[in-house]
Amino acid sequence: EVQLVESGGGLVKPGGSLRLSCAASGFIFSNAWMSWVRQTPGKGLEWVGRMKGKTDGGTTDYAAPVKGRFTISRDASKNTLYLQMNSLKTEDTAVYYCTSLLRFSHAFDSWGLGTMVTVSA
Amino acid sequence: QSALTQPRSVSGSPGQSVTISCTGTSSDVGSYNYVSWYQHHPGKAPKLMIYDVSQRPSGVPDRFSGSKSGNTASLTISGLQAEDEADFYCCSYAGSWVFGGGTKLTVL
Repeated sequence: EVQLVESGGGLVKPGGSLRLSCAASGFIFSNAWMSWVRQTPGKGLEWVGRMKGKTDGGTTDYAAPVKGRFTISRDASKNTLYLQMNSLKTEDTAVYYCTSLLRFSHAFDSWGLGTMVTVSA
Repeated sequence: QSALTQPRSVSGSPGQSVTISCTGTSSDVGSYNYVSWYQHHPGKAPKLMIYDVSQRPSGVPDRFSGSKSGNTASLTISGLQAEDEADFYCCSYAGSWVFGGGTKLTVL
């Protein structure tokens, strides 16, 4: 059974940094395409970024609002995906979900429960 | 990319059918068959219900079906059950992903 468990959320001041983690199990993590999706309070879902699997180059892509500030990485030895968030803004306040991707269908097939990030002075 | 347009809410009685629309543009929904739908019960993990416009993942009841016409995709839920009450989001991939604003389904 696929399991994704996020951690690392919390309260941070504008301009600060935070690193989220996503512990994965139940599938071959190193080759999986992974993504982060966030849900802002009272609003819908927003894609944050994606990392391709190792055999596909492991490259990353980001949504325009976070490009240059957020970085996705993975540690295959720990089956863990990370989201490093720098220069945080109040509008980054959201629940952040870790997801796996169906490679050829571009659909988010498994999700974690999410971790809350609050950016406030 | 702008968010896809969904109705804020729909409702139906048990046993009835409801359809949730998702309107995009010729640059996303209209150009690619990468439309997916997600069910989200607050406090739980979102769940993939439909991918590639009309494909159901293993374990999703066949009461859930998807379709697309032009720039609008639709999710139809037939034989409504109380446990179907949730928020539903559509999503389209067109080089990057864009979601709809979400639709709250109420089972009366």
